[in-house]
Amino acid sequence: QVQLQESGPGLVKPSETLSLTCSVSGYSISSGYYWGWIRQPPGKGPEWIGSISHSESASPNPSLKSRVTISVDTSKNQFSLRLNSVTAADTAVYYCVRDLRWNWYFDLWGRGALVIVSS
Amino acid sequence: QSALTQPASVSGSPGQSITISCTGTSSDVGGYNYVSWYQQHPGKAPKLILYNISSRPSGVSRRFSGSRSGNTASLTISGLQPEDEADYYCSSYTSSDASVFGLGTKVTVL
Repeated sequence: QVQLQESGPGLVKPSETLSLTCSVSGYSISSGYYWGWIRQPPGKGPEWIGSISHSESASPNPSLKSRVTISVDTSKNQFSLRLNSVTAADTAVYYCVRDLRWNWYFDLWGRGALVIVSS
Repeated sequence: QSALTQPASVSGSPGQSITISCTGTSSDVGGYNYVSWYQQHPGKAPKLILYNISSRPSGVSRRFSGSRSGNTASLTISGLQPEDEADYYCSSYTSSDASVFGLGTKVTVL
């Protein structure tokens, strides 16, 4: 059974960088698929942040592209998100997901990690 | 890209059928077959219930069905059950090579 688990700081100061890691179990990232990040501000709909392939081909949301870095570490079976210059608007639950890129849907989700941007 | 438009809330009695709409443009919902739907219970992660407009993942009830007409996709829940009470989100591929979600619809079982 494939499982995804987010980890990282729950509190980030404005203008700093948000960093999260997703650990994948039950499946080797290097075997395929895209792996991505989706966030959901409190009381709002989800927003796709971006995804990365097992071969490190990154695909960020154009609206966040300038602030987003997504990377993959196949040796640890993990992938990561860095979002720089954060503001209160970046406060959200961040989910890591498996991205079925050929049909553009997300079939597996982590439990989510709440990140609050506040001084 | 702008979020897809969904009704804020839909309600129905047990056993009834309800339909949730998801309206976009020809650059997303109307232009590609890559429309998916997600169910989210409070405090939980979204769960995929439909993809490619009307395909169901393994394990998802046949009571969930999807369709599309023009720039509007629809999710129909037949034989409404108490456990269907949740938030529902649509999502679509866009011509910007990105994925966009809807604003969400709260389903209440009366």
